Formats: sequence, C-alpha cells, structure tokens
Amino acid sequence: GDSVTQMEGPVTLSEEAFLTINCTYTATGYPSLFWYVQYPGEGLQLLLKATKADDKGSNKGFEATYRKETTSFHLEKGSVQVSDSAVYFCALSEIQGAQKLVFGQGTRLTINP
Amino acid sequence: NAGVTQTPKFQVLKTGQSMTLQCAQDMNHEYMSWYRQDPGMGLRLIHYSVGAGITDQGEVPNGYNVSRSTTEDFPLRLLSAAPSQTSVYFCASSPSSVREGYNEQFFGPGTRLTVL
Repeated sequence: GDSVTQMEGPVTLSEEAFLTINCTYTATGYPSLFWYVQYPGEGLQLLLKATKADDKGSNKGFEATYRKETTSFHLEKGSVQVSDSAVYFCALSEIQGAQKLVFGQGTRLTINP
Repeated sequence: NAGVTQTPKFQVLKTGQSMTLQCAQDMNHEYMSWYRQDPGMGLRLIHYSVGAGITDQGEVPNGYNVSRSTTEDFPLRLLSAAPSQTSVYFCASSPSSVREGYNEQFFGPGTRLTVL
C-alpha cells in the first residue's frame, strides 16, 4: 500500500539556519503531496501542497518540489525562525480532493534563538 | 465560523468503559474523517464519511464505530475502551472532491484520550 517516510527527528536548529526535512513516498498511482504543520497544542494545518510532478508548493517561506523520479517531496526553508518550531508531517493522497491522507511519522523541529 | 470543533479536549477512561468523541463542523463540508495520532507513527485514518448516511473504514477501524446522521456531526464511539486506544484523536473535514476538485482537509484541535 501507499506509504510516506520522513527523516527522523527531532531536529534542532539555530535561528536563521537553513532547513531541510526529507520526505519520500511509495504510491501506485500519481498522488497529491502535502506538508502539514502542527503547532504545540493545536490541530494540523496545511502548509503547502503539490498535485503533479514538478509542481512546487510554497507558503510562509517554505517550499517543496514534487519529484516523481526520486519519489520525494522535501521541505525547505532558507532562514528559520523560532516561530517555526512545530511538528511537520508529509502526507499523500491517491484520491482526488485529498480526502484519504496517508501521513509520515512527523518530524519535530525546534528552533533556538 | 468555528471550523471543526472537538469535545472533550482530554479524557481518561478505564478499560472496558465506553464513550463518544464528538466532532462538528459548520462549513457544510460533505467529507469528514477521524484520525489517531501515535508517537512515531504519524496520523492513521480510522473511519471516514463522504456524506450524511455514508461511512467507511480507514486503515485502523477496529474498536471504533461511527455514524453520520447529519452533515455537521461525525461522532466516534469506543464501545469497550482498551489501553491500545490511548492516543490523540483528530477529526477533519473537507468539501466534496467530486464537484470541487482538489480540497484541503481542515483539522480540529484534537482529543487526548488515556485508557487505564
């Protein structure tokens, strides 16, 4: 079945550092790919998405590119802030409309001032 | 517009007790779902519904029941709680994909359940 694998956490960085969180997937078809973020004590929020190969999703300074050849969707940000501290989830959906999401295990990110 | 709401926020049960986790949304979304979040495992789909009166099983449905009598509400029932059901439960909703193409899922704040 479909699966998503994220880099192991936790990840701790200093403010203004460059961030990469790796995400690879296994799917039978052509899934849509997502990054969700969970701030402490809250539910998940959609951070960005890409629905076809070579699409780049971006939001709040974060970017991820849908790479079909490497089945990857790595999350990047050029300069992280303390407010970016959260848990980040990579997810996919084979179904149009993102209705049945398959999540990775999550990566906890802590940014120190 | 409250979005997706869940009650209670926290709950402690004893093994064998039953309870219902409540989920409601005021966005007129047709699709609703329940996930559980466990450390190191991400979120896993328990049950979902594509509209009132229609439900189906997700990846980990055992031990849970759902019903969808209205568009707004999608309660999750634990008939006989077990320690393995200790988790954080999230409800989510989204508009119908059939009519509206790609859609984002909106998540509630979660219910933290402990079964002793």
